[in-house]
Amino acid sequence: AQTVTQSQPEMSVQEAETVTLSCTYDTSENNYYLFWYKQPPSRQMILVIRQEAYKQQNATENRFSVNFQKAAKSFSLKISDSQLGDTAMYFCAFMTLNSGNTPLVFGKGTRLSVIA
Amino acid sequence: ETGVTQTPRHLVMGMTNKKSLKCEQHLGHNAMYWYKQSAKKPLELMFVYNFKEQTENNSVPSRFSPECPNSSHLFLHLHTLQPEDSALYLCASSQPAGINYGYTFGSGTRLTVV
Repeated sequence: AQTVTQSQPEMSVQEAETVTLSCTYDTSENNYYLFWYKQPPSRQMILVIRQEAYKQQNATENRFSVNFQKAAKSFSLKISDSQLGDTAMYFCAFMTLNSGNTPLVFGKGTRLSVIA
Repeated sequence: ETGVTQTPRHLVMGMTNKKSLKCEQHLGHNAMYWYKQSAKKPLELMFVYNFKEQTENNSVPSRFSPECPNSSHLFLHLHTLQPEDSALYLCASSQPAGINYGYTFGSGTRLTVV
């Protein structure tokens, strides 16, 4: 079974600074996807960024980038130039790649507070 | 608005009540999911439906009964719940992996069992 571990229950960062959220996972699969989701107080789970395991290049989306270390099974999220609107719960998630629909497996989340 | 709509947004029910949660998507997705989100725990997968057929029941107690009448609608029928069932219930939909592997989530129903 796959597991996802987020070891930082809470973090804070000053506005405009950079913060990195950690995520490790455990799987015996070779083909899979990794995701970071953001859940603000509105409760809407929003996809921030995703990474295909077969791609060596780290994914980036504007101020968000990942450090994907496949051998170490590590998938950290870096947020640059943090903004107040980045305040939210952040969930790391894993999904195996196969021909059908496979469920996402989530970590416990990291609560990020951006301070003015 | 993401395209996945959940109603009601909040629900308070007694342990002897019967209620239903509703989820609706018009994104053309063919898979729908129920997740339970409790404080300080990972999101727990409850049920998976592919093309209206239930493909996964993650050992969920029978007091939770899902229904998927078509690929756009998903219900979660609740009866004789316990206080520990109080949580945020999230619905999501997706296309098969490899085509469009993103999940789209609703805003959830905050359930309180009294």
